[in-house]
Order: sequence, then C-alpha cells, then structure tokens
Amino acid sequence: DTEVTQTPKHLVMGMTNKKSLKCEQHMGHRAMYWYKQKAKKPPELMFVYSYEKLSINESVPSRFSPECPNSSLLNLHLHALQPEDSALYLCASSHNNSPLHFGNGTRLTVT
Amino acid sequence: GESVGLHLPTLSVQEGDNSIINCAYSNSASDYFIWYKQESGKGPQFIIDIRSNMDKRQGQRVTVLLNKTVKHLSLQIAATQPGDSAVYFCAEGNSGGYQKVTFGTGTKLQVIP
Repeated sequence: DTEVTQTPKHLVMGMTNKKSLKCEQHMGHRAMYWYKQKAKKPPELMFVYSYEKLSINESVPSRFSPECPNSSLLNLHLHALQPEDSALYLCASSHNNSPLHFGNGTRLTVT
Repeated sequence: GESVGLHLPTLSVQEGDNSIINCAYSNSASDYFIWYKQESGKGPQFIIDIRSNMDKRQGQRVTVLLNKTVKHLSLQIAATQPGDSAVYFCAEGNSGGYQKVTFGTGTKLQVIP
C-alpha cells in the first residue's frame, strides 16, 4: 500500500462524459503532482501544485483541469477526452527536498 | 529538448548475481537524481536518490553512482532476487520546494530463478 491514495483504480468513460480523478495524501506534503503514463513509457509530468497553487502546467490540453482544494487533496477533472488520452494517471506528493511519493494510479480508458 | 535516457531497455540476470542499470542524462542544470522501481499495476516506488554534490550513495543492497563529467547515472543491485523484477526508471530533478522531475525511458529487469 502507498501513502498516496488514488480513486478510482479503473475508469472507463465515453468521449462526451465528465469525470474526476481523486488523489489524497496525509503526509503533510505541500507539493502534489499529476503524471500521465502510457504503456511501456515513462511517466510524463502534467501539473505541479505547490502550497495549493498551480506552479507548473506542461502545456496540457484544457480538457484536463486540475484542482487542489486543500493541502491533502488533488483532483483531475476530465471532459471531452479522446481515445488517445487512455493511460495510467499517477498522482504524487513531496516535501521540501524529498523524493516524490506516488500512488498506484487510475487506469483510464476512453471509448 | 533535454532528456534523461537509458542504454538498455531489457536486462536479464541470474538470481544471486549483481545487476547494473545505466542511465544517461543531458540536463547539466539538474542537481538531484532518483531511481524508481515500478512493478506491474503499481506506481513508481522510490529506491534511492543522490544529489550532485555526491558521486556515490549506498542503501540496502542498492548503490547509485553519479558521474557528472560524462552525465551518467547507474544503479547497482547486489544479489538480485526474483522480487527485484520490475521496470527501473532513472529520473532527474532539482532541489527545492517542488520539483520538476523528468523520467528516463526505463529498463526492464528480468531475474532468472
């Protein structure tokens, strides 16, 4: 088990659906991250939040909308996704000068 | 763009032997390097890290070596066990409050019993 909890574990959605991915950590970390990982590829950074403020957006399409309601929670709102957006979405958190701690991800399939 | 890469996509080793996984990086501004292990169906798991002011760091059965001159990073696993079978990623980042961590392409380690 990891200390970063992601829900749901699996999600299947149509291209017209709206869904949200959730991430939670209670380690007191003040930086939280979203990564996207395609099969047999390394994780790719999407967003970084630091102290609940968006610090990095790696030119991610607007159909992905992150939200950090508080220091323990991170959401990723999904709308009008494409089949090529199917991937494993990983959440991570970190404290100052510490390595990232990852959750086990949400496996997303867009039909 | 600048990236982190690996020389070998797949490495097969006999159980009990030592494993060496290599990685090349190109961003000379990076000062923090991390090795992650990813098992099937799981997120990346931290193994060991090293900062640019060091050239070697040891953990339990693992050693990371950093050669800044040639921008090379390696992970050594002693007495490799079946449970070590996974994909290993090197990653580079920066010291600070939050980090822009970039992952290399990954090496699949297969341990032969």
